[in-house]
This record gives sequence, structure tokens and C-alpha cells, in this order.
Amino acid sequence: AQSVTQPDIHITVSEGASLELRCNYSYGATPYLFWYVQSPGQGLQLLLKYFSGDTLVQGIKGFEAEFKRSQSSFNLRKPSVHWSDAAEYFCAVARENAGNMLTFGGGTRLMVKP
Amino acid sequence: KAGVTQTPRYLIKTRGQQVTLSCSPISGHRSVSWYQQTPGQGLQFLFEYFSETQRNKGNFPGRFSGRQFSNSRSEMNVSTLELGDSALYLCASSTGGTVEQFFGPGTRLTVL
Repeated sequence: AQSVTQPDIHITVSEGASLELRCNYSYGATPYLFWYVQSPGQGLQLLLKYFSGDTLVQGIKGFEAEFKRSQSSFNLRKPSVHWSDAAEYFCAVARENAGNMLTFGGGTRLMVKP
Repeated sequence: KAGVTQTPRYLIKTRGQQVTLSCSPISGHRSVSWYQQTPGQGLQFLFEYFSETQRNKGNFPGRFSGRQFSNSRSEMNVSTLELGDSALYLCASSTGGTVEQFFGPGTRLTVL
């Protein structure tokens, strides 16, 4: 069975600083990979996705992520964090031909210092 | 295009009762998935419906059930509620041909 690990439960960065959120997955083949963001009391918003092809994917709100097969990682990055980026971030994986069953990591809560 | 809508947004029930939650997908989307989010267990997949048929099922007891109607709207039902069923229940829709899912705002269920 696939699994997703987000090693950092909480991260605090200063506004304007760069950000990297870690995500490691366990799955035998190439998975479909996603990053979602959740603001308090809200549902999940898709930031970006990787299905195949270029391993560096661009998403909304200035986020990007890089798929590294050798490290089973799909880390999320942003060069300059804004106060409005404070939220919880979830990495998720889905299997090819397995319908829409997403397996989520435990999430990373991002706090942004002014 | 309107997003995924879930009703009600908040619900309070007592142990032993049953509850029905509703989800209306984005127009044209034929797949609806349900997830449970709790502080202890995180986000867990409940089930997926596609064209009125359950296509995938997570590891939840039979007290959790769902269905999908011909207009793609979906309901999930939880019978004999337990305190541990208190959670945010999220619904997500997709076209069915891709795993890219769009989530609704969720229904916050509190079991007393």
C-alpha cells in the first residue's frame, strides 16, 4: 500500500524568506503526486500536480515542486513567502488506474512571521 | 462555474443517531469522493462514486455508506454515530477520467 510522509509537522518562516516543505512517498511505481493547501475552516485547494514528464512542476500562488524518483520525494518550494501563505499543506499520492483514491500525508502547518 | 458544495456545513448529533451529508459536484463532474479529516488520523479516504457506482472504498466500517444519484450528487450516511465520528467530512469531485479532484468546504460533524 502506498504511504506519504511529511516529516515536518510545523514550520515557521519569516515573510519574504524562501520555503521548502518536504514530502516522501512509498509506492512501487510512478505515482500521481499532489500538493494541496487548506486554510482554517476551509476545504482543500490544489496547488500543483505531477503525473509524468518534466519533474519540476509549477503551480498556483508561485509554488513549485520537484519530483525526485531516486529519493521518492516531491518537495514543495516557494522563493518568497507571503503572510497569506500561512495555512496547512498536504502532500498526496494516487495510483495509476485506481480511480480517485488519494492517500494524504499528515500535513505541515506553516506559520509566517512578519 | 460553481464549485463543489456541501450541506449542511455544520451538524451536531448525539451518539447512536444517524446522519446524512450531501455533496453537489462541479457541473459535468461524474466522480465524487468522500474523505474524513480528524486531528488524530488526518485525511482518510472513505469511498468514491462514479456514474452511480462505488468505484473505490477505504477502510471504514459498514456504518459508513454512500450513494450517488443520476445527476452526480452524492450523499454519505453514517449510522449509529460514535464520538470518534466527529470530524470534518470533505467531498471532492472530478471528471472521472483524471485524479485531479476539487474539494468542497466540508461538513463539520460533532457527535456528543
